[in-house]
Amino acid sequence: QQPVQSPQAVILREGEDAVINCSSSKALYSVHWYRQKHGEAPVFLMILLKGGEQKGHDKISASFNEKKQQSSLYLTASQLSYSGTYFCGTEIEAGTASKLTFGTGTRLQVTL
Amino acid sequence: DSGVTQTPKHLITATGQRVTLRCSPRSGDLSVYWYQQSLDQGLQFLIQYYNGEERAKGNILERFSAQQFPDLHSELNLSSLELGDSALYFCASSVVIQGAMTEAFFGQGTRLTVV
Repeated sequence: QQPVQSPQAVILREGEDAVINCSSSKALYSVHWYRQKHGEAPVFLMILLKGGEQKGHDKISASFNEKKQQSSLYLTASQLSYSGTYFCGTEIEAGTASKLTFGTGTRLQVTL
Repeated sequence: DSGVTQTPKHLITATGQRVTLRCSPRSGDLSVYWYQQSLDQGLQFLIQYYNGEERAKGNILERFSAQQFPDLHSELNLSSLELGDSALYFCASSVVIQGAMTEAFFGQGTRLTVV
């Protein structure tokens, strides 16, 4: 089942912060975050595993709340280069049939 | 460059025709995934292969089929094409550790236009 992302779209001024949420109705093994710029392939940002964790690099970080089956992506002090569509991908369980089910995406636009 | 190669980049074909999309995964990656992305839509999972075997299926139409060859490259076959099949088709590969996906590397996609 497809995870639900919110908001669908957000417009920021450079330097502002944003939070993108991803929730699932099923128990998750992992959550992946990807960014896709228009006309390009999705690019990996990070993976969070069950057990509840936080990760981050530079000004982009994420958390995974296993109890709520929710993950949030935090973008701080946004830059023009952050513009794009952000997808969360969820993996229900580790096993031979590993697959990522992606949410519908959150379109982020950073302006001057 | 993700290391995943997809050919062709663009494909224009008529309704009712059949096409084959090709994907070469990153060196060493045994797992290949196919995704369909319609205009300004999300990524819809189609199918996964691991070391030559089909492992997971998504909402893949019966008119679509795929396979992974001994050299690990994969092909997605789309037949009896309809206008609604027009989309960007992505292939991704990843290492699977203890049954779980690690980072997925996406190819640049094949843009299919059915006219």
